[in-house]
Amino acid sequence: SYVLTQPPSVSVAPGKTAGITCEGNNIGTQSVHWYQQKPGQAPVLVVYDDSDRPSGIPERFSGSNSGITATLTISRVEAGDEADYFCQVWDESSDHVVFGGGTRLTVL
Amino acid sequence: QVQLVQSGAEVKKPGASMKVSCQASGYTFTDYYIHWVRQAPGQGLKWMGWINPKSGATDSPQKFQGRVTMTRDTSISAAYMELSTLTSDDTAVYYCARSSVRFGELQQFDFWGQGTLVAVSS
Repeated sequence: SYVLTQPPSVSVAPGKTAGITCEGNNIGTQSVHWYQQKPGQAPVLVVYDDSDRPSGIPERFSGSNSGITATLTISRVEAGDEADYFCQVWDESSDHVVFGGGTRLTVL
Repeated sequence: QVQLVQSGAEVKKPGASMKVSCQASGYTFTDYYIHWVRQAPGQGLKWMGWINPKSGATDSPQKFQGRVTMTRDTSISAAYMELSTLTSDDTAVYYCARSSVRFGELQQFDFWGQGTLVAVSS
């Protein structure tokens, strides 16, 4: 089955840029979606189709995808961005949904 | 506005079954798939399967096949997920979420329910 690998944690100072990676075999050929989850809350879609943002999501959130790595980039990080972030793809071969293990973003 | 409202928390005994509901509003229920995702305490998100509300067709990963049953009632725009033969490993928050399908490909989960905590304990 298809596997998505994320670093368990990323730390960043306020105002700096955070990059959260998601690795998978030929992930660059797939559409990657990213979700933010704060403690006790349901996940929220922050980036879809590699780099598109839903309405209401700040422009500080952006995404890219190439080769074996997709990246969620958060610019000008704020304390309120502290959360768990999950990448997700649809695996065409199995017609199943796959999530990455999640990355905890800590704002120093 | 789009809303997915789930049923309340439950406590179950090992070996029992659980059934969570997901009430949709604010959109045409049959235009979007409903997915079920669970999250064990302190763990990540695990996809449990989808149901096509229009046809009733379902699919789920092998891990849950034989134990999970997904149904829907289009007359009231509700989806249900039943999980049988519960063990303590099934203790988790269960979410429903919707996605569209484009050219046969499942799309992003753009709206989620608030989650339902199910605790399995003797």
